[in-house]
Amino acid sequence: SAVISQKPSRDICQRGTSLTIQCQVDSQVTMMFWYRQQPGQSLTLIATANQGSEATYESGFVIDKFPISRPNLTFSTLTVSNMSPEDSSIYLCSVVTDRGGPQHFGDGTRLSIL
Amino acid sequence: AQSVAQPEDQVNVAEGNPLTVKCTYSVSGNPYLFWYVQYPNRGLQFLLKYITGDNLVKGSYGFEAEFNKSQTSFHLKKPSALVSDSTLYFCAVRDSQDTDKLIFGTGTRLQVFP
Repeated sequence: SAVISQKPSRDICQRGTSLTIQCQVDSQVTMMFWYRQQPGQSLTLIATANQGSEATYESGFVIDKFPISRPNLTFSTLTVSNMSPEDSSIYLCSVVTDRGGPQHFGDGTRLSIL
Repeated sequence: AQSVAQPEDQVNVAEGNPLTVKCTYSVSGNPYLFWYVQYPNRGLQFLLKYITGDNLVKGSYGFEAEFNKSQTSFHLKKPSALVSDSTLYFCAVRDSQDTDKLIFGTGTRLQVFP
């Protein structure tokens, strides 16, 4: 399966600032996704990162708060903008290498907002 | 809408005993079902999937899952539990037949006692 590198692995940020999370894959993939996992909870899909076009956001998530880029088939970024303590979560990147196959996940970014 | 349910927040089992982690699903059309495991400070790791074929699916680390269409269940099983199996398990279903988006259950924490 693909090797997924997610950076940073963790960060502590000040309220009102923004953080960009990177997801790098060692091979071309068909689909890339971004999830949020709030403390002690399950995963919630934020958006599908589309190569060369705007991401497709799920209900409750907007581009102004979570801008996403995917310039090519191996790389994507998620920015968490104007952060508040409620944004303290684990943010996870996942990829699909074959349509219909499983998603494979990076190790996540653990974000704490003070 | 597609959904999965994990009715147990935690499952306790003695080492060496068989384990079962329950998952039920609700889908329109054919179900595409997945099990993932999450170790501390790691992303999700794919264990196994069911798309079509045999109702008993074998996966990684000695885990298997039984697909039961009449009971709309996809329970995760292992014949002999290890203490190292103690962690968080997630069941997931594809959102629809024409997407790779996943909907995750709430997770079940497995505790294996020596």
